Amino acid sequence: DTAVSQTPKYLVTQMGNDKSIKCEQNLGHDTMYWYKQDSKKFLKIMFSYNNKELIINETVPNRFSPKSPDKAHLNLHINSLELGDSAVYFCASSPGLAGPYEQYFGPGTRLTVT
Amino acid sequence: TQLLEQSPQFLSIQEGENLTVYCNSSSVFSSLQWYRQEPGEGPVLLVTVVTGGEVKKLKRLTFQFGDARKDSSLHITAAQPGDTGLYLCAGARGGGSEKLVFGKGTKLTVNP
Repeated sequence: DTAVSQTPKYLVTQMGNDKSIKCEQNLGHDTMYWYKQDSKKFLKIMFSYNNKELIINETVPNRFSPKSPDKAHLNLHINSLELGDSAVYFCASSPGLAGPYEQYFGPGTRLTVT
Repeated sequence: TQLLEQSPQFLSIQEGENLTVYCNSSSVFSSLQWYRQEPGEGPVLLVTVVTGGEVKKLKRLTFQFGDARKDSSLHITAAQPGDTGLYLCAGARGGGSEKLVFGKGTKLTVNP
């Protein structure tokens, strides 16, 4: 009965490769997010979708492309992976845009680029 | 620019001690949330405060939102090893900004 699930949990790949991370939520929420947590544990928002529409796009390299096929899914595709992309990526969802934007996080995907 | 400053960054205490963690900003937030993150897992929401001066209690945890809605504190009474984790505060600016700004966290270790 996992509320927000992500796959894979771990991802080890070489520089230059392309990879995808998938996220699904069964909470019925309208809004989904991707966050990046660096080695110092700082959590920074990357993207947000509301009902499949992109509403937040922070200063993220265009090698990162999110896609939301429906409001329960938000995937993240990364092209031409670089060493600096190594981090833990969290998917999250929240009920909607009315605030206070309480986040329900997935378990994270630890990406290691070698 | 880091909008939310958390202190201390690290805290190691003995079981049974009390502690307070702070989350400060020069900006006003429409609401503020506290999360706890354990190793290898995602952050889990503990509480949301929305009214200036609001105090919320969750068992041994007491959360307070500053009167001016610029700061918050988390007080833990009689800490237990199970309280160990990374505590994150996050603020919502409101006014159509649909995102949270997170602090850098306080890593708490409670030793038995």
